[in-house]
Amino acid sequence: DVKVTQSSRYLVKRTGEKVFLECVQDMDHENMFWYRQDPGLGLRLIYFSYDVKMKEKGDIPEGYSVSREKKERFSLILESASTNQTSMYLCASTQTAGPANTGELFFGEGSRLTVL
Amino acid sequence: DQQVKQNSPSLSVQEGRISILNCDYTNSMFDYFLWYKKYPAEGPTFLISISSIKDKNEDGRFTVFLNKSAKHLSLHIVPSQPGDSAVYFCASWVSGTYKYIFGTGTRLKVLA
Repeated sequence: DVKVTQSSRYLVKRTGEKVFLECVQDMDHENMFWYRQDPGLGLRLIYFSYDVKMKEKGDIPEGYSVSREKKERFSLILESASTNQTSMYLCASTQTAGPANTGELFFGEGSRLTVL
Repeated sequence: DQQVKQNSPSLSVQEGRISILNCDYTNSMFDYFLWYKKYPAEGPTFLISISSIKDKNEDGRFTVFLNKSAKHLSLHIVPSQPGDSAVYFCASWVSGTYKYIFGTGTRLKVLA
């Protein structure tokens, strides 16, 4: 089974702190994604990466950056955390986007971040 | 405009009956659709998908119907079970990109 592992399930940080959210997948997937989930807003794409060192902005990249130095690892960085970044963060991966390989996204269990 | 809409935030159904969850999309470039189920404090899990070349896909108790002319898809769960109680997200892959667009979710409650 594909496994997407997010390093922290629950974090509490202070405003202004730098926050790292780590994600590792074990299926050699090329594409990795970071979403945030908020009530009433669904899942919104922050950043995605289609190869090592390659990244593209999603729909809500402001206040975030990402790093993909190795194929299996995709990190989300909050340079200076703010209270409006309190959310559930979800990492996902897929081998091929679209129907060529089912296009299924595999998600991690999520990281619940609270910024005080 | 790239939107996937789930207009019903919640739905309650009696155990054993049919659950119908609906999803509308705005962009005709969307040609692959997925449904995910999410329990609290867990990541979403894949349920079923459908390509735009089909109008129906079935997997056990789950069937997805696609009406391209109406830009509408629906997920049918028959029979509904209490363990189906979760939030269901409709998603679309945007053709020619790496992007998946998700709806806002529908919370399904199956009453025993």
